[in-house]
Amino acid sequence: GAVVSQHPSRVICKSGTSVKIECRSLDFQATTMFWYRQFPKQSLMLMATSNEGSKATYEQGVEKDKFLINHASLTLSTLTVTSAHPEDSSFYICSARESAGGPTDTQYFGPGTRLTVL
Amino acid sequence: AQKITQTQPGMFVQEKEAVTLDCTYDTSDQSYGLFWYKQPSSGEMIFLIYQGSYDEQNATEGRYSLNFQKARKSANLVISASQLGDSAMYFCAMRDPYNQGGKLIFGQGTELSVKP
Repeated sequence: GAVVSQHPSRVICKSGTSVKIECRSLDFQATTMFWYRQFPKQSLMLMATSNEGSKATYEQGVEKDKFLINHASLTLSTLTVTSAHPEDSSFYICSARESAGGPTDTQYFGPGTRLTVL
Repeated sequence: AQKITQTQPGMFVQEKEAVTLDCTYDTSDQSYGLFWYKQPSSGEMIFLIYQGSYDEQNATEGRYSLNFQKARKSANLVISASQLGDSAMYFCAMRDPYNQGGKLIFGQGTELSVKP
């Protein structure tokens, strides 16, 4: 299957700082990438849908100014957690669709980034 | 609105036996896709199997098969000959391919433990 990478895999930061997480599709072009958040022992919660060259579409309840998403190329999307606080500590996972459309498109997930805000 | 339900928070199975993980869904759309992912303790989401709503045959991928019952709106995952490495969280997900950017809606997950 296709490979999606995330960087960093783990980050610890102080409260009030900003953290950037990168999501890359390594061997395919992804017009659409997705960002999820997952708390321990819970399901994945979709935060936003990121389309190359356009503004991200955020899910209800997700703060746009808090979680900045940029999808500057067909292989890279970034999530920046601005002014992070302890409640932002979570596991963040990105995924990428292999092509622009079609019912059989599979989403491939990155390995996730564990964010801890002190 | 689309909804995915996994009613088994945890399941145990003996090594080498088969196990079925339940998944039911709710949608008013005629065209949709159903997925199963495995999430080991390391956290990565591993794609296991896909079933399209118009597929007449149940999907199979090695030891994984999907028991698709469209009228009942269920898409249960069957793992045959369980192995210790199958211990993980399993998530069922649904996608409307033509709306909302093709985003996935996930169920609550089932934690599978394989006993030696």
